[in-house]
Amino acid sequence: KQEVTQIPAALSVPEGENLVLNCSFTDSAIYNLQWFRQDPGKGLTSLLLIQSSQREQTSGRLNASLDKSSGRSTLYIAASQPGDSATYLCAVINSGSARQLTFGSGTQLTVLP
Amino acid sequence: NAGVMQNPRHLVRRRGQEARLRCSPVKGHSHVYWYRQLPEEGLKFMVYLQKENIIDESGMPKERFSAEFPKEGPSILRIQQVVRGDSAAYFCASSAQGRGGDGYTFGSGTRLTVV
Repeated sequence: KQEVTQIPAALSVPEGENLVLNCSFTDSAIYNLQWFRQDPGKGLTSLLLIQSSQREQTSGRLNASLDKSSGRSTLYIAASQPGDSATYLCAVINSGSARQLTFGSGTQLTVLP
Repeated sequence: NAGVMQNPRHLVRRRGQEARLRCSPVKGHSHVYWYRQLPEEGLKFMVYLQKENIIDESGMPKERFSAEFPKEGPSILRIQQVVRGDSAAYFCASSAQGRGGDGYTFGSGTRLTVV
Protein backbone atom coordinates (compact mmCIF):
# COMPACT_ATOMS: atom_id res chain seq x y z
CA LYS A 1 0.00 0.00 0.00
CA GLN A 2 1.41 3.35 -1.05
CA GLU A 3 2.16 5.81 1.73
CA VAL A 4 3.13 9.43 1.18
CA THR A 5 4.93 11.48 3.81
CA GLN A 6 5.60 15.19 3.76
CA ILE A 7 8.21 16.93 5.85
CA PRO A 8 8.06 19.35 7.54
CA ALA A 9 4.44 19.45 8.64
CA ALA A 10 4.68 23.19 9.13
CA LEU A 11 7.17 25.83 8.09
CA SER A 12 7.41 29.53 8.81
CA VAL A 13 9.89 31.70 6.89
CA PRO A 14 10.49 35.41 6.33
CA GLU A 15 9.56 36.88 2.99
CA GLY A 16 12.20 36.52 0.29
CA GLU A 17 13.65 33.21 1.45
CA ASN A 18 14.08 30.24 -0.85
CA LEU A 19 12.63 27.07 0.58
CA VAL A 20 12.27 23.35 -0.06
CA LEU A 21 9.33 21.12 0.76
CA ASN A 22 9.91 17.39 0.87
CA CYS A 23 7.73 14.47 -0.16
CA SER A 24 8.58 10.78 0.10
CA PHE A 25 6.63 7.74 -1.05
CA THR A 26 7.06 4.08 -0.21
CA ASP A 27 6.28 2.46 -3.58
CA SER A 28 8.53 3.75 -6.35
CA ALA A 29 6.31 2.31 -9.11
CA ILE A 30 4.44 5.54 -9.71
CA TYR A 31 2.67 6.79 -12.82
CA ASN A 32 2.92 10.47 -12.00
CA LEU A 33 3.24 12.90 -9.10
CA GLN A 34 1.34 16.13 -8.65
CA TRP A 35 1.89 19.05 -6.30
CA PHE A 36 -1.13 21.03 -5.14
CA ARG A 37 -1.74 24.09 -3.07
CA GLN A 38 -4.72 24.37 -0.71
CA ASP A 39 -5.77 27.64 0.86
CA PRO A 40 -7.83 27.53 4.09
CA GLY A 41 -11.42 26.54 3.37
CA LYS A 42 -10.74 26.31 -0.34
CA GLY A 43 -10.16 23.65 -2.97
CA LEU A 44 -6.93 22.35 -4.43
CA THR A 45 -4.99 24.24 -7.03
CA SER A 46 -2.65 22.20 -9.20
CA LEU A 47 0.90 23.56 -9.20
CA LEU A 48 3.02 21.05 -11.08
CA LEU A 49 2.58 17.59 -12.63
CA ILE A 50 5.62 15.34 -13.07
CA GLN A 51 5.33 12.22 -15.19
CA SER A 52 7.31 9.19 -14.02
CA SER A 53 9.74 9.59 -16.93
CA GLN A 54 10.53 13.18 -15.99
CA ARG A 55 13.01 14.47 -13.45
CA GLU A 56 11.64 17.95 -12.89
CA GLN A 57 9.09 20.55 -13.85
CA THR A 58 9.22 24.31 -13.50
CA SER A 59 6.55 26.98 -13.36
CA GLY A 60 7.55 30.51 -12.47
CA ARG A 61 9.15 30.52 -9.03
CA LEU A 62 8.31 26.86 -8.48
CA ASN A 63 10.46 23.88 -9.35
CA ALA A 64 9.56 20.30 -8.55
CA SER A 65 11.98 17.40 -8.85
CA LEU A 66 11.33 13.68 -8.85
CA ASP A 67 13.66 10.81 -7.96
CA LYS A 68 11.64 7.66 -8.44
CA SER A 69 14.35 5.25 -7.37
CA SER A 70 14.68 6.85 -3.96
CA GLY A 71 10.97 7.59 -3.64
CA ARG A 72 11.36 11.33 -3.24
CA SER A 73 10.13 14.59 -4.65
CA THR A 74 10.94 18.14 -3.64
CA LEU A 75 9.14 21.38 -4.29
CA TYR A 76 11.43 24.38 -4.42
CA ILE A 77 9.92 27.85 -3.97
CA ALA A 78 12.17 30.76 -4.85
CA ALA A 79 11.90 34.23 -3.34
CA SER A 80 8.92 33.38 -1.19
CA GLN A 81 6.07 35.90 -0.78
CA PRO A 82 3.28 36.22 1.81
CA GLY A 83 0.85 35.15 -0.91
CA ASP A 84 2.59 31.77 -0.98
CA SER A 85 1.19 31.00 2.47
CA ALA A 86 -0.93 27.87 2.13
CA THR A 87 -0.83 24.12 2.63
CA TYR A 88 1.17 22.30 -0.02
CA LEU A 89 0.10 18.76 -0.86
CA CYS A 90 2.04 16.08 -2.67
CA ALA A 91 0.06 13.28 -4.36
CA VAL A 92 1.10 10.20 -6.33
CA ILE A 93 -0.71 7.76 -8.57
CA ASN A 94 0.68 4.27 -8.90
CA SER A 95 1.52 2.49 -12.12
CA GLY A 96 -0.80 -0.40 -11.39
CA SER A 97 -4.49 -0.67 -12.08
CA ALA A 98 -5.43 1.53 -9.13
CA ARG A 99 -6.39 4.99 -10.25
CA GLN A 100 -6.61 7.00 -7.11
CA LEU A 101 -4.28 9.69 -5.91
CA THR A 102 -2.55 9.00 -2.60
CA PHE A 103 -1.99 12.25 -0.75
CA GLY A 104 0.51 13.28 1.86
CA SER A 105 -0.71 15.18 4.90
CA GLY A 106 0.73 18.41 3.58
CA THR A 107 3.17 21.10 4.62
CA GLN A 108 1.57 24.23 6.07
CA LEU A 109 3.67 27.16 4.89
CA THR A 110 3.57 30.64 6.40
CA VAL A 111 5.58 33.40 4.76
CA LEU A 112 5.99 36.36 7.08
CA PRO A 113 6.07 39.87 5.60
CA ASN B 1 -13.41 27.41 -19.79
CA ALA B 2 -14.86 26.74 -16.34
CA GLY B 3 -13.05 24.37 -14.04
CA VAL B 4 -14.67 21.71 -11.89
CA MET B 5 -17.88 23.09 -10.43
CA GLN B 6 -19.21 21.73 -7.17
CA ASN B 7 -22.40 22.68 -5.41
CA PRO B 8 -23.45 23.48 -2.89
CA ARG B 9 -20.33 24.98 -1.32
CA HIS B 10 -21.74 24.44 2.16
CA LEU B 11 -24.41 21.98 3.22
CA VAL B 12 -25.93 21.50 6.66
CA ARG B 13 -27.96 18.39 7.36
CA ARG B 14 -29.53 16.96 10.50
CA ARG B 15 -28.68 13.42 11.49
CA GLY B 16 -30.72 10.95 9.47
CA GLN B 17 -31.27 13.24 6.47
CA GLU B 18 -29.88 12.73 2.99
CA ALA B 19 -27.06 14.75 1.47
CA ARG B 20 -26.65 15.14 -2.29
CA LEU B 21 -23.42 16.66 -3.58
CA ARG B 22 -23.03 17.65 -7.21
CA CYS B 23 -20.00 17.89 -9.43
CA SER B 24 -19.72 19.12 -13.00
CA PRO B 25 -16.30 18.21 -14.47
CA VAL B 26 -14.18 20.36 -16.72
CA LYS B 27 -15.81 20.51 -20.14
CA GLY B 28 -14.56 17.58 -22.17
CA HIS B 29 -13.41 15.56 -19.16
CA SER B 30 -15.09 12.19 -18.87
CA HIS B 31 -13.33 10.92 -15.74
CA VAL B 32 -14.59 11.99 -12.31
CA TYR B 33 -13.17 11.23 -8.87
CA TRP B 34 -14.50 11.95 -5.39
CA TYR B 35 -12.26 12.52 -2.36
CA ARG B 36 -13.10 13.19 1.26
CA GLN B 37 -11.12 15.32 3.70
CA LEU B 38 -12.04 14.69 7.30
CA PRO B 39 -11.15 17.33 9.89
CA GLU B 40 -7.42 17.27 10.64
CA GLU B 41 -6.88 14.42 8.17
CA GLY B 42 -5.57 14.14 4.64
CA LEU B 43 -7.56 13.63 1.47
CA LYS B 44 -8.78 10.08 0.92
CA PHE B 45 -10.00 8.58 -2.34
CA MET B 46 -13.62 7.47 -2.43
CA VAL B 47 -14.71 6.60 -5.97
CA TYR B 48 -13.76 6.90 -9.63
CA LEU B 49 -16.44 7.12 -12.32
CA GLN B 50 -16.71 7.45 -16.05
CA LYS B 51 -19.93 8.29 -17.81
CA GLU B 52 -22.58 5.80 -16.62
CA ASN B 53 -19.95 3.53 -15.04
CA ILE B 54 -18.35 3.11 -11.63
CA ILE B 55 -14.76 2.12 -12.27
CA ASP B 56 -13.32 1.95 -8.74
CA GLU B 57 -15.28 2.38 -5.53
CA SER B 58 -12.71 0.84 -3.22
CA GLY B 59 -12.63 3.92 -0.98
CA MET B 60 -16.37 4.26 -0.60
CA PRO B 61 -17.99 3.23 2.71
CA LYS B 62 -20.06 0.11 2.11
CA GLU B 63 -23.28 1.53 3.48
CA ARG B 64 -25.20 4.78 2.97
CA PHE B 65 -22.85 6.16 0.29
CA SER B 66 -23.45 5.98 -3.45
CA ALA B 67 -22.20 7.80 -6.52
CA GLU B 68 -23.28 8.16 -10.11
CA PHE B 69 -22.18 9.95 -13.24
CA PRO B 70 -25.08 9.84 -15.70
CA LYS B 71 -24.86 10.28 -19.43
CA GLU B 72 -26.30 13.75 -19.05
CA GLY B 73 -25.76 16.03 -16.08
CA PRO B 74 -23.38 16.24 -13.17
CA SER B 75 -21.90 13.50 -11.04
CA ILE B 76 -23.78 13.02 -7.77
CA LEU B 77 -22.41 11.77 -4.46
CA ARG B 78 -25.29 10.72 -2.26
CA ILE B 79 -25.09 10.08 1.46
CA GLN B 80 -28.17 8.59 3.07
CA GLN B 81 -29.04 8.85 6.77
CA VAL B 82 -26.10 11.11 7.53
CA VAL B 83 -24.27 10.85 10.86
CA ARG B 84 -21.96 13.32 12.58
CA GLY B 85 -18.92 11.40 11.36
CA ASP B 86 -19.86 12.27 7.77
CA SER B 87 -19.01 15.92 8.45
CA ALA B 88 -16.12 16.65 6.11
CA ALA B 89 -15.10 18.45 2.96
CA TYR B 90 -15.92 16.47 -0.18
CA PHE B 91 -13.87 17.24 -3.25
CA CYS B 92 -14.49 16.27 -6.82
CA ALA B 93 -11.74 16.06 -9.44
CA SER B 94 -11.78 15.41 -13.15
CA SER B 95 -9.31 14.45 -15.83
CA ALA B 96 -9.41 14.08 -19.59
CA GLN B 97 -7.44 10.86 -19.56
CA GLY B 98 -8.01 7.86 -17.35
CA ARG B 99 -5.67 7.47 -14.40
CA GLY B 100 -4.83 11.14 -14.42
CA GLY B 101 -2.19 10.96 -17.09
CA ASP B 102 -2.79 14.64 -17.69
CA GLY B 103 -3.15 15.43 -14.01
CA TYR B 104 -6.27 16.20 -12.04
CA THR B 105 -8.34 19.36 -11.72
CA PHE B 106 -10.13 19.76 -8.41
CA GLY B 107 -13.24 21.67 -7.51
CA SER B 108 -13.62 23.96 -4.52
CA GLY B 109 -15.37 21.28 -2.51
CA THR B 110 -18.60 20.89 -0.59
CA ARG B 111 -18.33 21.28 3.16
CA LEU B 112 -20.89 19.06 4.81
CA THR B 113 -21.84 19.69 8.41
CA VAL B 114 -24.10 17.21 10.17
CA VAL B 115 -25.86 18.61 13.24
